[in-house]
Amino acid sequence: GDSVTQTEGPVTLSEGTSLTVNCSYETKQYPTLFWYVQYPGEGPQLLFKVPKANEKGSNRGFEATYNKEATSFHLQKASVQESDSAVYYCALDVSGGNYKPTFGKGTSLVVHP
Amino acid sequence: GGIITQTPKFLIGQEGQKLTLKCQQNFNHDTMYWYRQDSGKGLRLIYYSITENDLQKGDLSEGYDASREKKSSFSLTVTSAQKNEMAVFLCASSIGTGGARYAEQFFGPGTRLTVL
Repeated sequence: GDSVTQTEGPVTLSEGTSLTVNCSYETKQYPTLFWYVQYPGEGPQLLFKVPKANEKGSNRGFEATYNKEATSFHLQKASVQESDSAVYYCALDVSGGNYKPTFGKGTSLVVHP
Repeated sequence: GGIITQTPKFLIGQEGQKLTLKCQQNFNHDTMYWYRQDSGKGLRLIYYSITENDLQKGDLSEGYDASREKKSSFSLTVTSAQKNEMAVFLCASSIGTGGARYAEQFFGPGTRLTVL
């Protein structure tokens, strides 16, 4: 079946430093890839999605490139802020009858001032 | 825009008790989901429903029942609560029509369950 593997957390950073959260996926189909963010006390919300290989998604300073050859979708941010502290989920969806997205286990990010 | 409402926000139950969680969405989405979230284990799919009156089991359906009463609502029942169980149950919806490659999920704020 489909699977998503991402950096195991927690990841602890100081404000102003750079972030990379690795995400690798496995599927025999052609997925759309997603990053979701979950702030404390809330449900996950979409950060961005990328439906096509070799394209980049971005939002709020975060970005990730859909690398079909490497089956990766790593999340990056050049300079994190304390308000970025949250749990980040990488996910894939091959809907076209499936309707079941596959999520990674989530990566907790803690940013200290 | 739309919103997903989950009730109750906090649920405290006793061991062996049957507990029901409710979810409403006003996006007019076809597909709805129930996930369980435990610390360090990510999101695990319990049940989902492609359309009204449809039910599909997820990876963690044992010990749960679900009901899609109408397009806008999706309920989850814990059939027998386990002692010391603590988890967050998240409801989500998406457009979900076949072939909707770009469809993301919209999540509710969650119901936090504690079993004494």
